[in-house]
Amino acid sequence: DSGVTQTPKHLITATGQRVTLRCSPRSGDLSVYWYQQSLDQGLQFLIQYYNGEERAKGNILERFSAQQFPDLHSELNLSSLELGDSALYFCASSVTLRGTGELFFGEGSRLTVL
Amino acid sequence: AQSVTQPDIHITVSEGASLELRCNYSYGATPYLFWYVQSPGQGLQLLLKYFSGDTLVQGIKGFEAEFKRSQSSFNLRKPSVHWSDAAEYFCAVGADSLNDMRFGAGTRLTVKP
Repeated sequence: DSGVTQTPKHLITATGQRVTLRCSPRSGDLSVYWYQQSLDQGLQFLIQYYNGEERAKGNILERFSAQQFPDLHSELNLSSLELGDSALYFCASSVTLRGTGELFFGEGSRLTVL
Repeated sequence: AQSVTQPDIHITVSEGASLELRCNYSYGATPYLFWYVQSPGQGLQLLLKYFSGDTLVQGIKGFEAEFKRSQSSFNLRKPSVHWSDAAEYFCAVGADSLNDMRFGAGTRLTVKP
């Protein structure tokens, strides 16, 4: 058990819809990372928050947004969903701001867009 | 820009045989290097990491990796593979100058009985 909790584990929705994925980081970790894993793109970095502030952005689409709340949990919002958004979305947390420390991964939220 | 290449998409080895998974990175300064393992239906788990010092690092589950600066490589090895090692393995690189960690495409390991 990594200590990182992601909900929901599975989600099936239709094109054009909006979903919210939730992540609770490990106790004491201030950094939260979101990654998208798909068969054709591998593990892609989306966005990072540190203590409530956005600190790094990767290949995140404009239809996607995220935030980190005062209690350090984070949400990833995906809107106007397309078939190609079907993927496994991972949240990871870390003590450090920089990508130099161990990342602790949740078990992922599998999104299926029909 | 920092990047990670794992040349082998899929490797099959027999149980008890030795294993080497390749990883090459591109980064100007000394990188922070990691190997993660992902079992089916699970998140990624850290196997080992290299920051500095001894270039041969030991990890969990009997894995080790060697940092070779001249070859920009950080290959993962195990002397004798067990059936439970079947999983996807990811090499990753981080840096002091960047917040995110970059992952390779992964190598899927199949273990034959």
